[in-house]
Amino acid sequence: QQQVKQSPQSLIVQKGGIPIINCAYENTAFDYFPWYQQFPGKGPALLIAIRPDVSEKKEGRFTISFNKSAKQFSLHIMDSQPGDSATYFCAAWGSNQFYFGTGTSLTVIP
Amino acid sequence: DTEVTQTPKHLVMGMTNKKSLKCEQHMGHRAMYWYKQKAKKPPELMFVYSYEKLSINESVPSRFSPECPNSSLLNLHLHALQPEDSALYLCASSHLGGTGVIGYTFGSGTRLTVV
Repeated sequence: QQQVKQSPQSLIVQKGGIPIINCAYENTAFDYFPWYQQFPGKGPALLIAIRPDVSEKKEGRFTISFNKSAKQFSLHIMDSQPGDSATYFCAAWGSNQFYFGTGTSLTVIP
Repeated sequence: DTEVTQTPKHLVMGMTNKKSLKCEQHMGHRAMYWYKQKAKKPPELMFVYSYEKLSINESVPSRFSPECPNSSLLNLHLHALQPEDSALYLCASSHLGGTGVIGYTFGSGTRLTVV
């Protein structure tokens, strides 16, 4: 059973565009929601994270929007750059482990 | 030091070989993790060590044998692997407790190919 559902599977945007990746979860006991960025051959790197008592968090060009009642959260990348091309995973923390979404492959075209 | 270091970066082994993957951190983290990641898939949790003791084994085949000799070091011993075990093996570490997820850090992984 997939605890965290992520969409879309892949995304192509022009440079300067604002890609949006969405995740949904069921378990209300989850209490920490990070986004990881992963480049080929590298481990996942924490991009930004949010707790469920906050509706939005912004760090640089990356913003998480969190809707606790809908059990959904999303990542917005402002002014996207070709260097942002990577795979993005959402995750949720509960029962002392992460539950990952299935990943989104983002391509930013120059 | 805020890194998790994994060695080797690449490993090719035959199905009858025995090899080991190594993971090291010096952040004072008392939880360490092994993950397996196939291409274009999310990491899958394999093992969790808390205070150098195995706390979670996600029904991993016995051909994978973890070991935590001390609080900074985590090994994964490999024996009689199958080609389908080829993957990126990731190590991670974190603090324990309610805020343990803070500072959760992944290594860069070992790319394993079984031939």
